Amino acid sequence: EVQLVESGGGLVQPGGSLRLSCAASGFTFSSYEMNWVRQAPGKGLEWVSYISSSGSTIYYADSVKGRFTISRDNAKNSLYLQMNSLRAEDTAVYYCARAVINYYDSSGYYYFDYWGQGTLVTVSS
Amino acid sequence: DIQMTQSPSSLSASVGDRVTITCRASQSISSYLNWYQQKPGKAPKLLIYAASSLQSGVPSRFSGSGSGTDFTLTISSLQPEDFATYYCQQSYSTPPWSFGQGTKLEIK
Repeated sequence: EVQLVESGGGLVQPGGSLRLSCAASGFTFSSYEMNWVRQAPGKGLEWVSYISSSGSTIYYADSVKGRFTISRDNAKNSLYLQMNSLRAEDTAVYYCARAVINYYDSSGYYYFDYWGQGTLVTVSS
Repeated sequence: DIQMTQSPSSLSASVGDRVTITCRASQSISSYLNWYQQKPGKAPKLLIYAASSLQSGVPSRFSGSGSGTDFTLTISSLQPEDFATYYCQQSYSTPPWSFGQGTKLEIK
């Protein structure tokens, strides 16, 4: 059974740092691209960051670029999000999500097929 | 960046009703469109990928259609467990990938 379990959330002051982790099990973690997606309280979903299976390709949303760093340790089946210079607007539940590319009709269709339960990050003084 | 707009933002319906939710992209995204269901306090769940492909295990009352800029999610006969918030998401080209603002489906 595929499982993604986030941890590391909590209360942090503006300007502070936090490191989120996502422990993966039930699949070959090193074969999958991974993402972080967040959801502010009562709001919609916002894609945050992407990392390729090897870690060689990384993307960020403009809202977190230069402050957040995504990484992975395939030997430990773990995904990470280092969050620095946190702001009140970063307050959200952070989900890790496994990505799949399904190829047909000579096109690759990309989607998030498994999500963790989320970890809450609250940025407040 | 590609913007996704869903309509309506909220919808009231009864068990057994046929319901349609619309998602529009700010530019053509071919069929790179996914639909997710989210219940309160839970993670999103994939329903439809590539605009019209049903994810394994998802009931056949859910269907998706569209290509280019206009897409729809249809629930053919609402069940009590379908009352939730639905999000579309585009996965065209490289990130950033964006979600619609969500459609909250409530019991009438």
